[in-house]
Amino acid sequence: AQTVTQSQPEMSVQEAETVTLSCTYDTSESDYYLFWYKQPPSRQMILVIRQEAYKQQNATENRFSVNFQKAAKSFSLKISDSQLGDAAMYFCASNQGAQKLVFGQGTRLTINP
Amino acid sequence: GAVVSQHPSWVICKSGTSVKIECRSLDFQATTMFWYRQFPKQSLMLMATSNEGSKATYEQGVEKDKFLINHASLTLSTLTVTSAHPEDSSFYICSAGLGGGTLETQYFGPGTRLLVL
Repeated sequence: AQTVTQSQPEMSVQEAETVTLSCTYDTSESDYYLFWYKQPPSRQMILVIRQEAYKQQNATENRFSVNFQKAAKSFSLKISDSQLGDAAMYFCASNQGAQKLVFGQGTRLTINP
Repeated sequence: GAVVSQHPSWVICKSGTSVKIECRSLDFQATTMFWYRQFPKQSLMLMATSNEGSKATYEQGVEKDKFLINHASLTLSTLTVTSAHPEDSSFYICSAGLGGGTLETQYFGPGTRLLVL
């Protein structure tokens, strides 16, 4: 079965500092998308960033960037200059060749002022 | 862009009644929509995949007669929880797919909190 694993149930960071959330996945597909979604206390799932497996260049969206290591099947999210509004549950996900998303267990990120 | 709405956001109902939840893609057409259920402090659990104009595909263990899904147009999918019971109380989230195939991105609605008394 296709799996996505987030090994950090909780993470915390000081405001304005940088934090990295880890994600590994297992797939036999050659082309797929990887995603990071954010779920704040409102519980609205918000797309943070996505990466197409064929692209070697790591995706970036303002303060958010990924470190995509295809051979290692690793897809970590780096948040720079952390802000209080970044506090949320973060889910890593992959569509792995199919329409269905496979989600990781989530990492709860706390921002300390 | 890529906005998905969901209605209602909150519903409280008596046991035995049916509840309908609507999911709309507001600024794009979605051939495929998805319905998830999320328990507190857990990840999302896919219930079913809804394709416009055809029957929904349910995940293993999800009762299709209990959770009726209709995808009547490219912008609207509905989930009806029939004869709801307290164990159906949960947070239900829909998403709509943009892009298609292996490069599809799902955009999520704000969710519906269902409480069955």
